Amino acid sequence: KQEVTQIPAALSVPEGENLVLNCSFTDSAIYNLQWFRQDPGKGLTSLLLIQSSQREQTSGRLNASLDKSSGRSTLYIAASQPGDSATYLCAVVTNDYKLSFGAGTTVTVRA
Amino acid sequence: SAVISQKPSRDICQRGTSLTIQCQVDSQVTMMFWYRQQPGQSLTLIATANQGSEATYESGFVIDKFPISRPNLTFSTLTVSNMSPEDSSIYLCSVRGGAGDNYGYTFGSGTRLTVV
Repeated sequence: KQEVTQIPAALSVPEGENLVLNCSFTDSAIYNLQWFRQDPGKGLTSLLLIQSSQREQTSGRLNASLDKSSGRSTLYIAASQPGDSATYLCAVVTNDYKLSFGAGTTVTVRA
Repeated sequence: SAVISQKPSRDICQRGTSLTIQCQVDSQVTMMFWYRQQPGQSLTLIATANQGSEATYESGFVIDKFPISRPNLTFSTLTVSNMSPEDSSIYLCSVRGGAGDNYGYTFGSGTRLTVV
């Protein structure tokens, strides 16, 4: 069974700092990996999707890397803003097209 | 990517009653899923909603408690039956996109259920 771990569980930084969020998974036989953002009590917003053949994806201030062989992905958020405060979820897509989620990293960006 | 309309956004229900949650997608999708997110927890897959056939349930979830309908490729419902306070959670539907979306996943806005 795929196990997904996210470290740290929580992170508090001053505005302007770069954020580094880590995700690890136990089974490297993945279809792809997707990072989501969740605001309190809300649904999930997709941030970046990395296909298993890719090493990284970028969108604006966000960059996600994938090392499938070592079972790791990292989400980088440059020049953080208070609006980046949310919970960030890593989800691994297995070959049966189901998502396995990590517990998330809750980010607080202080103004 | 697909846009999902999920209703209701929240509800407070009495124990022993049932609630039906609806998800409407703006395009035809093959794969549709239902998740539960208990307070302070991450998402757990309840079932895969299959068009024209019974849903496929994950371990720990049963059809009598969480009946699912999928009458067509754009719509699905999840019913939470005979509710107890332990069913208080956020329930979310999700769809898998097509090639144009690199087969990424989109989620509804969620239904926050409180059982009293």
